Amino acid sequence: GAGVSQSPRYKVAKRGQDVALRCDPISGHVSLFWYQQALGQGPEFLTYFQNEAQLDKSGLPSDRFFAERPEGSVSTLKIQRTQQEDSAVYLCASSLRIDGHEETQYFGPGTRLLVL
Amino acid sequence: GNSVTQMEGPVTLSEEAFLTINCTYTATGYPSLFWYVQYPGEGLQLLLKATKADDKGSNKGFEATYRKETTSFHLEKGSVQVSDSAVYFCALSVGGFKTIFGAGTRLFVKA
Repeated sequence: GAGVSQSPRYKVAKRGQDVALRCDPISGHVSLFWYQQALGQGPEFLTYFQNEAQLDKSGLPSDRFFAERPEGSVSTLKIQRTQQEDSAVYLCASSLRIDGHEETQYFGPGTRLLVL
Repeated sequence: GNSVTQMEGPVTLSEEAFLTINCTYTATGYPSLFWYVQYPGEGLQLLLKATKADDKGSNKGFEATYRKETTSFHLEKGSVQVSDSAVYFCALSVGGFKTIFGAGTRLFVKA
């Protein structure tokens, strides 16, 4: 079946612009995660949803970052007034449910954001 | 807090050589441990996982054993192939929530 999809795959923004990144999780997956991966680094957690509820947003680096999942499926990560340090690959992952230690997260291909 | 430390790369090996990529972790609670792989131009893929102490995860000839006493989860493969060239990430998750990743180790395998 279809995996996690993300759009756009590449985004170039001028400093100060707002951007919106979309994630389509695997159908039926309850949990959705956003990560930020800087060049040459491992992904870092941003936020997590269970259905439409945002249960953890401790990794969002500033109040310019906002994520939503209004109907419990598609999610959007919005970055307001982008800065150069926001340049990174933004990864979305989904998992079937949260059930102790067992769940596998499936990752999308990522959106590469470059802020000039 | 929770963290993962893995050996720095790049690691360069000849085909059929033995591979070890070291990974150690610190965690509160009882983490699950993972190895993810990122092939050139592709997204992160789960390679293997182990959910409790002494479990061995294995896939595609790769293995890693969850060692609680040494807080380690080293990745091994007996004979690497050129197609194994990729970036490998060690990671942990506590309670199935956010995953903490290491910085990644790039592997180059020469024919």
